[in-house]
Amino acid sequence: DAGVIQSPRHEVTEMGQEVTLRCKPISGHNSLFWYRQTMMRGLELLIYFNNNVPIDDSGMPEDRFSAKMPNASFSTLKIQPSEPRDSAVYFCASSTDSNQPQHFGDGTRLSIL
Amino acid sequence: GENVEQHPSTLSVQEGDSAVIKCTYSDSASNYFPWYKQELGKRPQLIIDIRSNVGEKKDQRIAVTLNKTAKHFSLHITETQPEDSAVYFCAASIGDYKLSFGAGTTVTVRA
Repeated sequence: DAGVIQSPRHEVTEMGQEVTLRCKPISGHNSLFWYRQTMMRGLELLIYFNNNVPIDDSGMPEDRFSAKMPNASFSTLKIQPSEPRDSAVYFCASSTDSNQPQHFGDGTRLSIL
Repeated sequence: GENVEQHPSTLSVQEGDSAVIKCTYSDSASNYFPWYKQELGKRPQLIIDIRSNVGEKKDQRIAVTLNKTAKHFSLHITETQPEDSAVYFCAASIGDYKLSFGAGTTVTVRA
């Protein structure tokens, strides 16, 4: 099992640019979570998908953030336009179903200059 | 509220000694409590979890205890080794899918 796969591992870009983070969940997992981790706020849930449908996006900070899950094996998190305060590590996690163990990907370390 | 409080924030132990991390939660409906270990620059890795119908669970040197009445749960690491050095996060379920994470405990095992 390859685990949850995220890309890119690192992203450095200038403010105002569009950023797209990608995630491939573990095969067979129906639930997918996007998290943001910072020193100040810890791990925050941004959005939760179940069976490719966004169930809870209440954690998405603002309209600059959007997420999609076009199929069971792929999800994207997009920030447009990006701002320096978006700098953080973004993790994707998946589980077989809601309230089951969540397995995290290696994360994307995002730096907005 | 949905807060999970975790203590201590840092913990330094001598190799071979035990380490204990404690968490409290506020939602009486919480029924799933995972623990994650995160090494520097790495992903959070699930190391053990417990559900509310169980009071204790053990996996080799790691054990977790749960007191539903008091709304607290603890992680115990025995015979600590240098590779146990990491940040440990507790979490409690909120509703059907959310996890509320503690702020983390940085554990340092001194050789």
